[in-house]
Amino acid sequence: DQQVKQNSPSLSVQEGRISILNCDYTNSMFDYFLWYKKYPAEGPTFLISISSIKDKNEDGRFTVFLNKSAKHLSLHIVPSQPGDSAVYFCAASVGGYNKLIFGAGTRLAVHP
Amino acid sequence: NAGVTQTPKFRILKIGQSMTLQCAQDMNHNYMYWYRQDPGMGLKLIYYSVGAGITDKGEVPNGYNVSRSTTEDFPLRLELAAPSQTSVYFCASSYREVNYGYTFGSGTRLTVV
Repeated sequence: DQQVKQNSPSLSVQEGRISILNCDYTNSMFDYFLWYKKYPAEGPTFLISISSIKDKNEDGRFTVFLNKSAKHLSLHIVPSQPGDSAVYFCAASVGGYNKLIFGAGTRLAVHP
Repeated sequence: NAGVTQTPKFRILKIGQSMTLQCAQDMNHNYMYWYRQDPGMGLKLIYYSVGAGITDKGEVPNGYNVSRSTTEDFPLRLELAAPSQTSVYFCASSYREVNYGYTFGSGTRLTVV
């Protein structure tokens, strides 16, 4: 029973264009959503979060959009850079103590 | 400014052996976590702790034990290792506020043969 799903295992984008990573969830009780980025042989790094009472949050080149009616969120990276090539995980928080449920990840490749 | 330090980085265990994965953080975070990541899967919560002396089970606790005697350290014990425990293990810590996210260690790659 996957409560957080990232249906695209991979995405390829040209440098300078927009990258859009998608995430769907099933539990309407999630109160926060977070995105992490992971390079090989490293731990995930926190990127950006959004509260369930918001529909948008921006931080530099990264914007997260939340559509509660569709139980869908997306991460936009503009403009995409080669250094953005990594695996991106969507995660959701529920039940207190910051416990997170993670999606399976999407591998982003940004090519020149 | 080390953040979260995990040791060892790699380990091969034989079936039935035991070991302890070490995790230490220097950010004075109250909350600490152990996750495992299997190939093609998201991270799954094994155990977590909200302060020294307080631990609780996550989604996949069977075959593992933890302790938290200090704020800094949160070791994960594997008893009677099984091939199903072959995985990459990540330790993380956080502030009480969820919107700041976790700080993760670099992981321990464990193979049970």
